[in-house]
Amino acid sequence: DAKTTQPNSMESNEEEPVHLPCNHSTISGTDYIHWYRQLPSQGPEYVIHGLTSNVNNRMASLAIAEDRKSSTLILHRATLRDAAVYYCILRDVLVENAGNMLTFGGGTRLMVKP
Amino acid sequence: NAGVTQTPKFQVLKTGQSMTLQCAQDMNHEYMSWYRQDPGMGLRLIHYSVGAGITDQGEVPNGYNVSRSTTEDFPLRLLSAAPSQTSVYFCATRDSYSNQPQHFGDGTRLSIL
Repeated sequence: DAKTTQPNSMESNEEEPVHLPCNHSTISGTDYIHWYRQLPSQGPEYVIHGLTSNVNNRMASLAIAEDRKSSTLILHRATLRDAAVYYCILRDVLVENAGNMLTFGGGTRLMVKP
Repeated sequence: NAGVTQTPKFQVLKTGQSMTLQCAQDMNHEYMSWYRQDPGMGLRLIHYSVGAGITDQGEVPNGYNVSRSTTEDFPLRLLSAAPSQTSVYFCATRDSYSNQPQHFGDGTRLSIL
């Protein structure tokens, strides 16, 4: 899978929007962009994924650049419970022989201030 | 609906001991996998399975064995524990469709003395 680059950490105030960036300049045409988050002492949790168009769900929005070389996870109103490490991961939908491998980088540690 | 259940939650072993980490799922997912997470690091894949009777190695398989006799269970065996295997171990499952999200258990925290 292609590599992603994320800032090590970000801070936000409670109730404010948060934009978490991810660069993936070597993304291929069949790579989906997945976001997971990991709360303290828990396993990773799926947040959202997309291919080309922007995506929304109850947890977040995903904005994908037109050239797909970067994306942004948007939390519309951060809460204290959103403090976690957020991972941006590329999954090549054609690579089935890797089973369910996800390549986790270091992620972005989001701190939310009350 | 329990999802993915890992047992035990915590374990301390002595070097050279063997043990089995259990993972059970009730979602009828074909794909299951084991990851380890060292302090301050991302997850690394140990072994995975694409269905009952089929397993394969991931990124860091040495020192671990797996088997998949049923869809529901995917145990991870440490053959002879070493301090380098001190880590948090996560089991994950997903549906067979390639782009479905993975579902993770809450982890087993393992310390090898």
